[in-house]
Amino acid sequence: ETGVTQSPTHLIKTRGQQVTLRCSSQSGHNTVSWYQQALGQGPQFIFQYYREEENGRGNFPPRFSGLQFPNYSSELNVNALELDDSALYLCASSPRVNTEAFFGQGTRLTVV
Amino acid sequence: AQKVTQAQTEISVVEKEDVTLDCVYETRDTTYYLFWYKQPPSGELVFLIRRNSFDEQNEISGRYSWNFQKSTSSFNFTITASQVVDSAVYFCALSEAATGTASKLTFGTGTRLQVTL
Repeated sequence: ETGVTQSPTHLIKTRGQQVTLRCSSQSGHNTVSWYQQALGQGPQFIFQYYREEENGRGNFPPRFSGLQFPNYSSELNVNALELDDSALYLCASSPRVNTEAFFGQGTRLTVV
Repeated sequence: AQKVTQAQTEISVVEKEDVTLDCVYETRDTTYYLFWYKQPPSGELVFLIRRNSFDEQNEISGRYSWNFQKSTSSFNFTITASQVVDSAVYFCALSEAATGTASKLTFGTGTRLQVTL
């Protein structure tokens, strides 16, 4: 039990649509990161938020965007969905930058 | 650029056997962190250990032990007397430690461990 919860657990969307994934971090964890994990691969860093500001971004296009709220919740938004966006999306929270990250159970997104 | 290599894609062992999962990393930073995570079928990544680059002391936690060798850029993970509940995918990860920047984790491709009776 990491105290990080994600919703929904599964989602099916059509190519071209937009999707919002949600994450509720542990209280006091002001750093949240999002990762994309394709089948059979390791997670890939999408971006990180620290105190509601983007604090680093991986190699993902601008149609991947995020928000972090004062109540330790956050969102990942993906516009213009493509088939390759099908993956497990993981949210991770940390009490500070560069400490261990605690992951949620993920949202499995399928784009058809 | 950072890179983590887990050359073993899949390992199968019989319960009670010892098993070592290999991890080799590349980084240009002198200060960095290494991690191991376990991913059971439920999907959640479970944190196992975090080690900074200045601490090469090996660590033991119950049946788990880790061997960090900076000279060979390796951070191997050994499970002693494996159990069926250890079956999962194990990921090694690396984070550079620049203060104030994102603690991006770079993961390896994972090693699937199957422990059978």
